[in-house]
Amino acid sequence: AQSVTQPDIHITVSEGASLELRCNYSYGATPYLFWYVQSPGQGLQLLLKYFSGDTLVQGIKGFEAEFKRSQSSFNLRKPSVHWSDAAEYFCAVGGNDMRFGAGTRLTVKP
Amino acid sequence: GAGVSQSPSNKVTEKGKDVELRCDPISGHTALYWYRQSLGQGLEFLIYFQGNSAPDKSGLPSDRFSAERTGGSVSTLTIQRTQQEDSAVYLCASSLVGPAIEQYFGPGTRLTVT
Repeated sequence: AQSVTQPDIHITVSEGASLELRCNYSYGATPYLFWYVQSPGQGLQLLLKYFSGDTLVQGIKGFEAEFKRSQSSFNLRKPSVHWSDAAEYFCAVGGNDMRFGAGTRLTVKP
Repeated sequence: GAGVSQSPSNKVTEKGKDVELRCDPISGHTALYWYRQSLGQGLEFLIYFQGNSAPDKSGLPSDRFSAERTGGSVSTLTIQRTQQEDSAVYLCASSLVGPAIEQYFGPGTRLTVT
């Protein structure tokens, strides 16, 4: 069965700094990979997804993620973080069903 | 169009009572999912409905948990004899054709068992 690991429970970055959130997955075939964001008091919103093709995918709000099969990773990146990016971020892998990671809470310092 | 809706938004119940949580998926979405999000935890998969197929119940934590989906639309998650550890936010999501497609999430029901 598939599984997802997000090694960082909490990350703090300064506004304007770059961001990378780590995600490692376990899946027997080519995975369907997703990043969702959950802002305080909000529902989960899809940031981006990878199904096939180009391993660098662009998402909303200036986020991107790179699929690296050799490392079983799908890390989320943003070149310059904004205060509004403070939220909980979830990586997920789909297949016959979907599995979410435990999430990474992002705090943005002014 | 309307998104996924869930009711109630908040539910407080006494230990040992049964509760029902409702989910209205986006019209036309054939797949429906229930997840549980405990404080500080990720999303725990509970159950998955796809069309008229038998549901995937592999995530249900105990036989006190059950779910139905009537007419391929509305779903009800029932928790019998609630326990304090059942306190969590219960999220429902729907999608068009299956788990490889984007899931749209409802706002959740916050369940508190006292």
